[in-house]
Amino acid sequence: KAGVTQTPRYLIKTRGQQVTLSCSPISGHRSVSWYQQTPGQGLQFLFEYFSETQRNKGNFPGRFSGRQFSNSRSEMNVSTLELGDSALYLCASSWGTGSSGEAFFGQGTRLTVV
Amino acid sequence: DAKTTQPTSMDCAEGRAANLPCNHSTISGNEYVYWYRQIHSQGPQYIIHGLKNNETNEMASLIITEDRKSSTLILPHATLRDTAVYYCIVRGTNDYKLSFGAGTTVTVRA
Repeated sequence: KAGVTQTPRYLIKTRGQQVTLSCSPISGHRSVSWYQQTPGQGLQFLFEYFSETQRNKGNFPGRFSGRQFSNSRSEMNVSTLELGDSALYLCASSWGTGSSGEAFFGQGTRLTVV
Repeated sequence: DAKTTQPTSMDCAEGRAANLPCNHSTISGNEYVYWYRQIHSQGPQYIIHGLKNNETNEMASLIITEDRKSSTLILPHATLRDTAVYYCIVRGTNDYKLSFGAGTTVTVRA
């Protein structure tokens, strides 16, 4: 079956702009999580959505937001981009219930802010 | 806020078993131990998870000590393609996020 699909794979934006990243989860998965990966901070949790509701949020400023649609696809938005937002943004999908919570990650979107 | 401690790096010879240790001394009763790995520039890949019993799948084996304060991931026959950063993560049943630490950089050498 198809894996987690993230688009676009690469993106270059200018400081002050905003960006929207997209994630299509594995068919049937209802949970989508987002992570930011930078060389300095490693992999950090941004937020998690389940059935269109945000269940958990990491310690990021309000410029980072997300949403999930009825088909479980998710988008994250970063407004007023800063140089420090340059990172690999990863999306993970899972069933989202119970103890068997293994998550499957996409290949990520590499965002460069100049 | 990772709850695990792993060695920074380790080397392994191709064809030999790789034993990756992880300490999680503050693990609570409803928390599972998960292992993921990340090959350079790719998304993390799920390997295995367990609660208290040892687990085995096609990729690896997970050995959890009786007191659950530590575990070992075993790659039975390491190949060059197993070179990656390996993350040990403790996660509760109702915890909807993965808290990644720095992981162990494993280098498999020919």
